[in-house]
Amino acid sequence: QSVLTQPPSVSGAPGQRVTISCTGSSSNIGAGYDVHWYQQLPGTAPKLLIYGNSNRPSGVPDRFSGSKSGTSASLAITGLQAEDEADYYCQSYDSSLVFGTGTKVTVL
Amino acid sequence: EVQLVQSGAEVKKPGESLKISCKGSGYSFSSYWIGWVRQMPGKGLEWMGIIYPGDSDTRYSPSFQGQVTISADKSISTAYLQWSSLKASDTAMYYCARHLMYDSSGYYNPYFDYWGQGTLVTVSS
Repeated sequence: QSVLTQPPSVSGAPGQRVTISCTGSSSNIGAGYDVHWYQQLPGTAPKLLIYGNSNRPSGVPDRFSGSKSGTSASLAITGLQAEDEADYYCQSYDSSLVFGTGTKVTVL
Repeated sequence: EVQLVQSGAEVKKPGESLKISCKGSGYSFSSYWIGWVRQMPGKGLEWMGIIYPGDSDTRYSPSFQGQVTISADKSISTAYLQWSSLKASDTAMYYCARHLMYDSSGYYNPYFDYWGQGTLVTVSS
């Protein structure tokens, strides 16, 4: 079982804003380790979406944003689009690299 | 362009051995750590371990230590993941990914920036 907890699913209509939480503890996010986010489209490999809490790699739309506070982090998707339907994973460090439980985003 | 290309899908029987590969291109393969990540059917991502091809320094997740072997051949820019005796529970998709890390206020922050397409390993009698 992962030490980073995410909601199993979130959904929203096209154009809406959705947020995904990533809850950790004092030994990982709360200790000061950064959070990174990955998007996994159906049937494909994960792709880096956000690194260092809030930085977007080149080519990632600015509709995606990340933040971190205390023992948690969040990924926000604004202007939700059909192609955003995917699984999203947070990742941090806790004596070893750890992934979140994953969240399925459904576009209604 | 950074690319990681993995070997094809495998179907094996319990007890058999297997070695899958991940070939890097578009960057200095020897200078970056490469990691392996498991994704069991319908499940999330699990970090297995990493290797530095430059000197083959290897680190394993406690969950996978002794269960798999990670290696690399820098002369052909290829990393490997191998099993000596497969089990049905090894059935999963396996991804390789380029592993980056940075220090932020004294904290070690690793993450993966480029991923391979995945290798599906099916173990069934």
